[in-house]
Amino acid sequence: EIVLTQSPGTLSLSPGERATLSCRASQSISSSYLAWYQQKPGQAPRLLIYGASSRATGLPDRFSGSGSGTDFTLTISRLEPEDFAVYYCQQYGTSPGTFGQGTKLEIK
Amino acid sequence: EVQLLESGGGLVQPGGSLRLSCAASGFTFNSYAMSWVRQAPGKGLEWVSVISGTFGSTHYADSVKGRFTISRDNSRNTLYLQMNSLRVEDTALYYCAKISGYSSGYQNHWGQGTLVTVSS
Repeated sequence: EIVLTQSPGTLSLSPGERATLSCRASQSISSSYLAWYQQKPGQAPRLLIYGASSRATGLPDRFSGSGSGTDFTLTISRLEPEDFAVYYCQQYGTSPGTFGQGTKLEIK
Repeated sequence: EVQLLESGGGLVQPGGSLRLSCAASGFTFNSYAMSWVRQAPGKGLEWVSVISGTFGSTHYADSVKGRFTISRDNSRNTLYLQMNSLRVEDTALYYCAKISGYSSGYQNHWGQGTLVTVSS
């Protein structure tokens, strides 16, 4: 089973700042089968990024994904108030499709 | 518009059984794999199981293997999760999610979840 480790656990930033979230895998993820999801309190997760860097339909371009192999990054270039949430990475190249433990992005 | 509506959650005693359902609409159901993902109260996401499109090959997390069975009825556009020998640690919100591909992929649409509570 591939283990995903996200860092930091909590990120405290202000609107307008840049957020950088990390996801590290215990082994190489095939074909960059890495996705990012956003979850707000009381809501289901929402797909943001797939294939490590492809944005989901309708996602603002302030969100971007990068990385390959074992190291992946989600960047939010200029935080908007609605971006404060919990973010999860997931690898879907190998069953089981494991999730990281999440990064909570909170308002500073 | 893709819609996924879970049902069947509730309170059950340890060792008991429950069957979850997920009614899907807005897409060609038998062309996509479907999955269950759960979230214990205050915790992160845990992938539970996936089933492929027409032929229904399945995979399970080790934590549920041998106790849970995923299935689908393509004529009813419905996904199921039969949960047996339930444990306290199975308490969670169970999400049904559509997969991007026929046999594997990322979860591109999610339901709102159904709550399963295992307690005596």
